[in-house]
Amino acid sequence: DIVMTQSPDSLAVSLGERATINCKSSQSVLYSSNNQNYLAWYQQKPGQPPKLLIYWASTRESGVPDRFSGSGSGTDFTLTISSLQAEDVAVYFCQQYYYTPLTFGGGTKVEFK
Amino acid sequence: EVQLLESGGGLVQPGGSLRLSCAASGFTFSSYAMSWVRQAPGMGLEWVSAFGGSGGGTYYADSVKGRFTISRDDSKNTLYLQMHSLRADDTAVYFCAKAGPYATPRKYYFDYWGQGTLVTVSS
Repeated sequence: DIVMTQSPDSLAVSLGERATINCKSSQSVLYSSNNQNYLAWYQQKPGQPPKLLIYWASTRESGVPDRFSGSGSGTDFTLTISSLQAEDVAVYFCQQYYYTPLTFGGGTKVEFK
Repeated sequence: EVQLLESGGGLVQPGGSLRLSCAASGFTFSSYAMSWVRQAPGMGLEWVSAFGGSGGGTYYADSVKGRFTISRDDSKNTLYLQMHSLRADDTAVYFCAKAGPYATPRKYYFDYWGQGTLVTVSS
């Protein structure tokens, strides 16, 4: 199984400041035949289901604000919130979809400082 | 508008059975792979099972293989999860999730999720 490791576990950021979340996979999720990274990012607020933010490691889902961006390739990925807003307080998960079983990172909780 | 509505959760004794349902609307259900993902209280996300669209295959996490069966009725736009031999560590909110439009067999990310249904396994 591909193990997804997120860091940090939690992050306190001031309003308007940048938040950076890391995700590392135990093996590459870059598919050579199409040069795509099979990595997605989700946001989950308390009592709600996850919401898709990013797929293909860097493609923003329709309707997601452009302050959210994804980067990275192979085994190392980053989700960046360029300017934290009140509604961004949540837990963020990465997910690899290169292999089944599909696996998620343990989550990173983003809070206000 | 895509909607996914899970039902069927509840309290069940260890060793018992339960069937979850997910009623889908707002998209061509038969064309998309669907999945179950669970979340134990206060914990992260665990993929459970998937059923490919357009007559695709079924896939399971090792933790549920042989105990859970995923099925779908495209005429009713409904996904199911039949769960047998339930254990305490199956206690979780079970989410139904739709595979994204660029997903390919066995390579699923999820663009829509239901609100979930809670399964509690306890004596």
